[in-house]
Amino acid sequence: SQKIEQNSEALNIQEGKTATLTCNYTNYSPAYLQWYRQDPGRGPVFLLLIRENEKEKRKERLKVTFDTTLKQSLFHITASQPADSATYLCALGNNDMRFGAGTRLTVKP
Amino acid sequence: EAQVTQNPRYLITVTGKKLTVTCSQNMNHEYMSWYRQDPGLGLRQIYYSMNVEVTDKGDVPEGYKVSRKEKRNFPLILESPSPNQTSLYFCASSRGADNQPQHFGDGTRLSIL
Repeated sequence: SQKIEQNSEALNIQEGKTATLTCNYTNYSPAYLQWYRQDPGRGPVFLLLIRENEKEKRKERLKVTFDTTLKQSLFHITASQPADSATYLCALGNNDMRFGAGTRLTVKP
Repeated sequence: EAQVTQNPRYLITVTGKKLTVTCSQNMNHEYMSWYRQDPGLGLRQIYYSMNVEVTDKGDVPEGYKVSRKEKRNFPLILESPSPNQTSLYFCASSRGADNQPQHFGDGTRLSIL
């Protein structure tokens, strides 16, 4: 069956460091992969999309990679700040969308 | 302001009492979708709609119904709610299904006693 796994439930890092979150998937060939941010009590907010033929995408302090051979995406936040603390979700799709369970990131001052 | 609006935001009800959660978007999006979010399981898709009068089952459609009579509205209907449908529900919309970011509402927390 199709599976999406995000590396850990929680990740704690120090302010200024780079946070790296992992999204692995099996039995699936998505055309694209998206990353979302979710704050407590709110709906997910779209951050970045990367297509299967793209290796890397950047947006300000965010960087996403997509390796269709390894079936893995890495999501990096450089120069992390306490305001980056949130849950980050990866999502894969074609017509339907499947989400990972998320990684809760805490950036400590 | 572009938004997806869900109502109600919170609801406590009893087993078997039919309920409807409304979802409306003001972005003229074709694609709309319903998810439930449970601890440890993440977001799971219930139903989605590619356009008016077109709906399809997601991963967990049992016990739910939807309709898409107008482009802007996509209500979620629980005909006979049961306690295992206690969850946090999100509606989302996007311009299309492929390669389009989804815009989410702020969620509806349902408790079925």
